[in-house]
Amino acid sequence: NAGVMQNPRHLVRRRGQEARLRCSPMKGHSHVYWYRQLPEEGLKFMVYLQKENIIDESGMPKERFSAEFPKEGPSILRIQQVVRGDSAAYFCASSPRSWQSSYEQYFGPGTRLTVT
Amino acid sequence: GENVEQHPSTLSVQEGDSAVIKCTYSDSASNYFPWYKQELGKGPQLIIDIRSNVGEKKDQRIAVTLNKTAKHFSLHITETQPEDSAVYFCAASTGYSTLTFGKGTMLLVSP
Repeated sequence: NAGVMQNPRHLVRRRGQEARLRCSPMKGHSHVYWYRQLPEEGLKFMVYLQKENIIDESGMPKERFSAEFPKEGPSILRIQQVVRGDSAAYFCASSPRSWQSSYEQYFGPGTRLTVT
Repeated sequence: GENVEQHPSTLSVQEGDSAVIKCTYSDSASNYFPWYKQELGKGPQLIIDIRSNVGEKKDQRIAVTLNKTAKHFSLHITETQPEDSAVYFCAASTGYSTLTFGKGTMLLVSP
Protein backbone atom coordinates (compact mmCIF):
# COMPACT_ATOMS: atom_id res chain seq x y z
CA ASN A 1 0.00 0.00 0.00
CA ALA A 2 1.74 3.15 -1.22
CA GLY A 3 2.02 6.02 1.21
CA VAL A 4 1.13 9.65 0.66
CA MET A 5 2.78 10.91 -2.51
CA GLN A 6 3.89 14.47 -3.06
CA ASN A 7 5.46 16.09 -6.07
CA PRO A 8 7.63 17.75 -6.86
CA ARG A 9 9.97 17.04 -3.95
CA HIS A 10 11.89 20.23 -4.62
CA LEU A 11 10.63 23.33 -6.37
CA VAL A 12 12.49 26.53 -7.14
CA ARG A 13 10.56 29.60 -8.17
CA ARG A 14 11.49 33.22 -8.73
CA ARG A 15 9.60 35.94 -6.95
CA GLY A 16 6.29 36.60 -8.68
CA GLN A 17 5.95 33.14 -10.23
CA GLU A 18 3.33 30.55 -9.35
CA ALA A 19 3.97 27.36 -7.41
CA ARG A 20 1.78 24.25 -7.70
CA LEU A 21 2.24 21.48 -5.18
CA ARG A 22 0.54 18.13 -5.63
CA CYS A 23 -0.54 15.52 -3.12
CA SER A 24 -1.97 12.05 -3.72
CA PRO A 25 -3.40 10.58 -0.52
CA MET A 26 -3.04 6.99 0.58
CA LYS A 27 -5.39 4.58 -1.11
CA GLY A 28 -8.79 4.70 0.52
CA HIS A 29 -8.17 8.05 2.20
CA SER A 30 -10.54 10.83 1.26
CA HIS A 31 -9.35 13.54 3.65
CA VAL A 32 -6.30 15.70 2.99
CA TYR A 33 -4.52 18.24 5.17
CA TRP A 34 -1.79 20.69 4.15
CA TYR A 35 0.82 21.93 6.63
CA ARG A 36 3.75 24.31 6.27
CA GLN A 37 7.04 23.92 8.10
CA LEU A 38 9.45 26.80 8.40
CA PRO A 39 13.12 26.10 9.28
CA GLU A 40 13.53 24.84 12.85
CA GLU A 41 9.82 25.20 13.59
CA GLY A 42 6.92 22.85 13.97
CA LEU A 43 4.27 22.24 11.37
CA LYS A 44 1.51 24.80 10.97
CA PHE A 45 -1.90 23.83 9.67
CA MET A 46 -3.02 25.50 6.45
CA VAL A 47 -6.09 23.78 5.01
CA TYR A 48 -8.22 20.66 5.38
CA LEU A 49 -10.06 19.25 2.38
CA GLN A 50 -12.37 16.43 1.52
CA LYS A 51 -13.13 15.41 -2.05
CA GLU A 52 -14.54 18.51 -3.78
CA ASN A 53 -14.92 20.36 -0.46
CA ILE A 54 -12.83 22.69 1.67
CA ILE A 55 -13.60 21.80 5.27
CA ASP A 56 -11.33 24.26 7.08
CA GLU A 57 -9.04 26.87 5.56
CA SER A 58 -8.48 28.91 8.69
CA GLY A 59 -4.70 28.47 8.53
CA MET A 60 -4.25 29.56 4.96
CA PRO A 61 -3.33 33.14 4.06
CA LYS A 62 -6.29 34.93 2.48
CA GLU A 63 -4.33 36.15 -0.50
CA ARG A 64 -2.26 34.26 -3.08
CA PHE A 65 -2.91 30.80 -1.58
CA SER A 66 -5.60 28.37 -2.71
CA ALA A 67 -6.22 24.65 -2.45
CA GLU A 68 -8.42 22.08 -4.09
CA PHE A 69 -9.10 18.37 -3.96
CA PRO A 70 -11.07 17.41 -7.07
CA LYS A 71 -13.20 14.33 -7.51
CA GLU A 72 -10.48 12.85 -9.67
CA GLY A 73 -6.77 13.46 -9.29
CA PRO A 74 -4.49 14.80 -6.60
CA SER A 75 -4.98 17.64 -4.18
CA ILE A 76 -3.31 20.85 -5.33
CA LEU A 77 -1.90 23.66 -3.20
CA ARG A 78 -1.39 26.73 -5.35
CA ILE A 79 0.66 29.76 -4.41
CA GLN A 80 0.43 32.73 -6.74
CA GLN A 81 3.04 35.49 -7.01
CA VAL A 82 5.42 33.79 -4.62
CA VAL A 83 7.58 35.85 -2.26
CA ARG A 84 10.73 34.85 -0.38
CA GLY A 85 8.71 34.35 2.80
CA ASP A 86 6.89 31.47 1.10
CA SER A 87 10.10 29.42 1.14
CA ALA A 88 9.34 26.44 3.35
CA ALA A 89 8.59 22.74 3.35
CA TYR A 90 4.97 21.98 2.56
CA PHE A 91 3.59 18.69 3.80
CA CYS A 92 0.41 16.91 2.91
CA ALA A 93 -1.24 14.40 5.22
CA SER A 94 -4.13 12.09 4.57
CA SER A 95 -6.61 10.44 6.88
CA PRO A 96 -9.00 7.52 6.39
CA ARG A 97 -11.72 8.92 8.62
CA SER A 98 -13.06 5.41 9.12
CA TRP A 99 -14.77 4.74 12.42
CA GLN A 100 -11.99 2.38 13.46
CA SER A 101 -9.16 4.83 12.97
CA SER A 102 -10.63 8.22 12.45
CA TYR A 103 -7.93 10.40 13.84
CA GLU A 104 -4.61 9.28 12.37
CA GLN A 105 -2.92 11.50 9.82
CA TYR A 106 -0.17 10.09 7.62
CA PHE A 107 2.31 12.47 6.07
CA GLY A 108 3.97 12.58 2.70
CA PRO A 109 7.67 13.37 2.13
CA GLY A 110 6.96 17.05 1.53
CA THR A 111 7.73 19.61 -1.15
CA ARG A 112 10.58 21.98 -0.39
CA LEU A 113 9.84 25.31 -2.02
CA THR A 114 12.64 27.78 -2.51
CA VAL A 115 11.86 31.27 -3.76
CA THR A 116 14.78 33.15 -5.24
CA GLY B 1 -7.28 28.01 19.69
CA GLU B 2 -5.07 25.19 20.85
CA ASN B 3 -1.49 25.87 21.94
CA VAL B 4 1.07 23.11 22.41
CA GLU B 5 4.34 23.65 24.26
CA GLN B 6 7.14 21.08 23.94
CA HIS B 7 10.30 20.60 26.04
CA PRO B 8 13.20 20.25 25.77
CA SER B 9 14.13 21.64 22.37
CA THR B 10 17.24 19.44 22.26
CA LEU B 11 18.08 16.27 24.15
CA SER B 12 21.36 14.40 24.09
CA VAL B 13 21.62 10.91 25.58
CA GLN B 14 24.01 8.00 25.49
CA GLU B 15 23.00 4.84 23.70
CA GLY B 16 21.02 2.64 26.04
CA ASP B 17 19.75 5.51 28.19
CA SER B 18 16.11 6.58 28.36
CA ALA B 19 14.75 9.78 26.81
CA VAL B 20 11.68 11.72 27.91
CA ILE B 21 9.99 14.51 25.97
CA LYS B 22 7.16 16.51 27.53
CA CYS B 23 4.29 18.50 26.06
CA THR B 24 1.51 20.61 27.49
CA TYR B 25 -1.67 21.69 25.76
CA SER B 26 -4.20 24.41 26.45
CA ASP B 27 -7.54 23.25 25.02
CA SER B 28 -9.37 20.95 27.41
CA ALA B 29 -11.46 19.72 24.46
CA SER B 30 -8.42 18.08 22.86
CA ASN B 31 -8.75 14.31 22.94
CA TYR B 32 -6.12 12.94 20.55
CA PHE B 33 -2.35 13.21 21.06
CA PRO B 34 -0.01 11.74 18.43
CA TRP B 35 3.77 11.74 18.35
CA TYR B 36 5.75 12.03 15.14
CA LYS B 37 9.38 11.30 14.31
CA GLN B 38 10.96 13.33 11.53
CA GLU B 39 14.30 12.44 10.02
CA LEU B 40 16.29 14.92 7.99
CA GLY B 41 14.71 15.60 4.62
CA LYS B 42 11.72 13.37 5.28
CA GLY B 43 8.10 13.77 6.28
CA PRO B 44 6.86 13.21 9.83
CA GLN B 45 6.23 9.57 10.68
CA LEU B 46 3.51 8.67 13.16
CA ILE B 47 5.14 6.54 15.87
CA ILE B 48 2.53 6.37 18.62
CA ASP B 49 -0.65 8.09 19.67
CA ILE B 50 -2.98 8.21 22.64
CA ARG B 51 -6.60 9.15 23.09
CA SER B 52 -8.02 10.91 26.10
CA ASN B 53 -9.79 7.84 27.46
CA VAL B 54 -6.42 6.17 28.05
CA GLY B 55 -3.68 7.13 30.52
CA GLU B 56 -0.76 5.20 29.05
CA LYS B 57 0.12 3.31 25.90
CA LYS B 58 3.20 1.26 25.07
CA ASP B 59 4.69 -0.07 21.88
CA GLN B 60 7.97 -1.92 22.38
CA ARG B 61 10.56 0.68 23.45
CA ILE B 62 8.27 3.69 23.26
CA ALA B 63 5.45 4.72 25.54
CA VAL B 64 3.22 7.74 25.93
CA THR B 65 1.51 8.94 29.10
CA LEU B 66 -1.34 11.40 29.37
CA ASN B 67 -2.47 13.48 32.34
CA LYS B 68 -5.74 15.15 31.36
CA THR B 69 -6.09 17.03 34.61
CA ALA B 70 -2.72 18.72 34.22
CA LYS B 71 -3.05 18.86 30.41
CA HIS B 72 0.28 17.30 29.69
CA PHE B 73 1.54 14.22 27.90
CA SER B 74 4.97 12.69 27.53
CA LEU B 75 6.93 10.42 25.21
CA HIS B 76 9.27 7.89 26.78
CA ILE B 77 11.90 6.04 24.77
CA THR B 78 13.82 3.31 26.57
CA GLU B 79 17.09 1.66 25.54
CA THR B 80 17.79 4.38 23.01
CA GLN B 81 19.69 3.54 19.85
CA PRO B 82 21.57 5.79 17.38
CA GLU B 83 18.76 5.30 14.85
CA ASP B 84 16.39 6.98 17.30
CA SER B 85 18.19 10.26 16.56
CA ALA B 86 15.66 12.56 14.88
CA VAL B 87 13.30 15.43 15.60
CA TYR B 88 10.23 14.42 17.55
CA PHE B 89 6.98 16.38 17.47
CA CYS B 90 4.00 16.14 19.74
CA ALA B 91 0.58 17.29 18.59
CA ALA B 92 -2.96 17.68 19.88
CA SER B 93 -6.37 17.78 18.28
CA THR B 94 -10.04 17.32 19.00
CA GLY B 95 -10.08 14.17 16.89
CA TYR B 96 -11.64 15.08 13.59
CA SER B 97 -9.99 18.47 13.48
CA THR B 98 -6.53 19.53 12.47
CA LEU B 99 -3.36 18.88 14.45
CA THR B 100 -1.62 21.58 16.47
CA PHE B 101 2.07 20.77 16.77
CA GLY B 102 4.73 21.55 19.31
CA LYS B 103 7.97 23.05 18.03
CA GLY B 104 9.87 19.80 18.18
CA THR B 105 12.68 18.14 20.13
CA MET B 106 15.94 17.20 18.47
CA LEU B 107 17.06 13.92 20.03
CA LEU B 108 20.71 12.95 19.64
CA VAL B 109 21.72 9.45 20.69
CA SER B 110 25.49 9.00 20.95
CA PRO B 111 26.99 5.52 20.49
